[in-house]
Amino acid sequence: KQEVTQIPAALSVPEGENLVLNCSFTDSAIYNLQWFRQDPGKGLTSLLLIQSSQREQTSGRLNASLDKSSGRSTLYIAASQPGDSATYLCAPTGGSYIPTFGRGTSLIVHP
Amino acid sequence: DAGVTQSPTHLIKTRGQQVTLRCSPKSGHDTVSWYQQALGQGPQFIFQYYEEEERQRGNFPDRFSGHQFPNYSSELNVNALLLGDSALYLCASSPEGVGSYYGYTFGSGTRLTVV
Repeated sequence: KQEVTQIPAALSVPEGENLVLNCSFTDSAIYNLQWFRQDPGKGLTSLLLIQSSQREQTSGRLNASLDKSSGRSTLYIAASQPGDSATYLCAPTGGSYIPTFGRGTSLIVHP
Repeated sequence: DAGVTQSPTHLIKTRGQQVTLRCSPKSGHDTVSWYQQALGQGPQFIFQYYEEEERQRGNFPDRFSGHQFPNYSSELNVNALLLGDSALYLCASSPEGVGSYYGYTFGSGTRLTVV
């Protein structure tokens, strides 16, 4: 059974900092890994999707890397802004084709 | 292009009652999955529907059941509601066969409160 751990669980930083959010998973036999953003009480918004054959994906100030063999993914957020405040969830998809979620990293960026 | 649509947005039910939640998948998607997200937790997989049949199921009791219609929309039914069923229920859609390549698209969720 896939287990997903996200570190840190919570993060509070001043605006402008470059951030690193970590995701580890126990079963490296995955097809892809998605990073999502969730605002309080809302649904999930897909940020980045990395295929198992890829090492990284970039979208604007976001960059996600994937090291499948070691079961790790990292989300980098450059020049953080208050609008980035949300919970960030990673979800690897394995042989069942069902994404498995961690508990997320709760991010607060204060002005 | 509409994304995944869920209704209702919020719902309050009494313990022991039954509830039905609805989901319309993103255009071009024919596979629908349901997740339960308790406060402070990550989403937990309930089940997935494809071709009007339940294809996979997570670790949820039989009180949780579903249905998929020919137009690919789906319903989640929960019988004999418990206080612990209070959660955000998320629907996700994906294109069959290539869902693992294109990833999943989620709706905004239905907040269910059981009192």
